[in-house]
Amino acid sequence: AQSVTQLDSQVPVFEEAPVELRCNYSSSVSVYLFWYVQYPNQGLQLLLKYLSGSTLVKGINGFEAEFNKSQTSFHLRKPSVHISDTAEYFCAVSEWKGSQGNLIFGKGTKLSVKP
Amino acid sequence: DTAVSQTPKYLVTQMGNDKSIKCEQNLGHDTMYWYKQDSKKFLKIMFSYNNKELIINETVPNRFSPKSPDKAHLNLHINSLELGDSAVYFCASSQPGLAHNEQFFGPGTRLTVL
Repeated sequence: AQSVTQLDSQVPVFEEAPVELRCNYSSSVSVYLFWYVQYPNQGLQLLLKYLSGSTLVKGINGFEAEFNKSQTSFHLRKPSVHISDTAEYFCAVSEWKGSQGNLIFGKGTKLSVKP
Repeated sequence: DTAVSQTPKYLVTQMGNDKSIKCEQNLGHDTMYWYKQDSKKFLKIMFSYNNKELIINETVPNRFSPKSPDKAHLNLHINSLELGDSAVYFCASSQPGLAHNEQFFGPGTRLTVL
């Protein structure tokens, strides 16, 4: 079974500083990877996804992630964060059990941006 | 135009009661899911339905029963509510046949059992 590890449960950072949220996955076969964001009291929104092609993926709100197959990582980055980026961030990997597909989520990283 | 909607947004009830949460998606997807998010924000899948047929049923008490009247709706019924059922419940949908399983989430229902 696939698994996703988000190494940091909380990441505090000052406004306009760069940030990296780390994600490692377990699969050794073709993978499809996602980052979702959950703003306070809201549902999950897709930030970006890696399906194939370029290993650098750009998403909404200035975020990007790099797929690194040799390190089985998919870290999320933003060069300059805003207060409004304060949210919970979830990394996920696609998994198939027979003919049924699903997403396996990490435990989430809480990004707190301080003024 | 809401893609995945849930009602109610908040639900406060007493232990032992029976309650339902409704979910509807207008994306034309065939697969719908229910997730439970606990106080530590951990997301756990509960059920998956593909075109009204139950596909995934994780280790969930049988007090929880999903019902899908059509492929656009997946409702969650909970009988004999317990304190530990307090959580945020998310509905999601995806289109099978796509290898990557991208899912679209509803806004969530915060259930508080007193």
